[in-house]
Amino acid sequence: DTAVSQTPKYLVTQMGNDKSIKCEQNLGHDTMYWYKQDSKKFLKIMFSYNNKELIINETVPNRFSPKSPDKAHLNLHINSLELGDSAVYFCASSQRGAETQYFGPGTRLLVL
Amino acid sequence: KQEVTQIPAALSVPEGENLVLNCSFTDSAIYNLQWFRQDPGKGLTSLLLIQSSQREQTSGRLNASLDKSSGRSTLYIAASQPGDSATYLCAASGAGSYQLTFGKGTKLSVIP
Repeated sequence: DTAVSQTPKYLVTQMGNDKSIKCEQNLGHDTMYWYKQDSKKFLKIMFSYNNKELIINETVPNRFSPKSPDKAHLNLHINSLELGDSAVYFCASSQRGAETQYFGPGTRLLVL
Repeated sequence: KQEVTQIPAALSVPEGENLVLNCSFTDSAIYNLQWFRQDPGKGLTSLLLIQSSQREQTSGRLNASLDKSSGRSTLYIAASQPGDSATYLCAASGAGSYQLTFGKGTKLSVIP
């Protein structure tokens, strides 16, 4: 009965590789998000998305791209991985943008 | 651009004490403010959401207040327990966007 799930839980990869992180929510929400939590535990929004609008935080490199095959999924694709991309990535969802956000367990990405 | 500050960064209290966590934000034109809890190595759990038209919300031993005019919110925890030990994060949405801006959190330790 997991509400927001992410796969994989851990991801270790080499610099320059391309990787994807999957996110699924079974709450029937219409808005999904990706956040990055850095080594100092600071959490920053990367994207928010519903079926009408994608909002991209201006600090996110264009190597990062969200892909939503349907309302319940928002995957994160990362091209040409860099050492600085190492972080924990959290997916979240809410019913309309102004409501409570529910977070997934996080994906710990380590770029070597 | 919304900025969120949380003070103190860490707090240690004996079990049974009442305590207050502070959060301040720079843009008073918010849609809502949310308080989350994060346990080590885990995702975020939503505690309380206060809409911009509200002044406070309560859930069990937790009470959150919102004062938009002064750009402040507080999270009051009554009769603290060791199980309350976690990092508490405050997040506010800025004008024109539902995206949340997070503070750096207050790490709470409740000593038995």
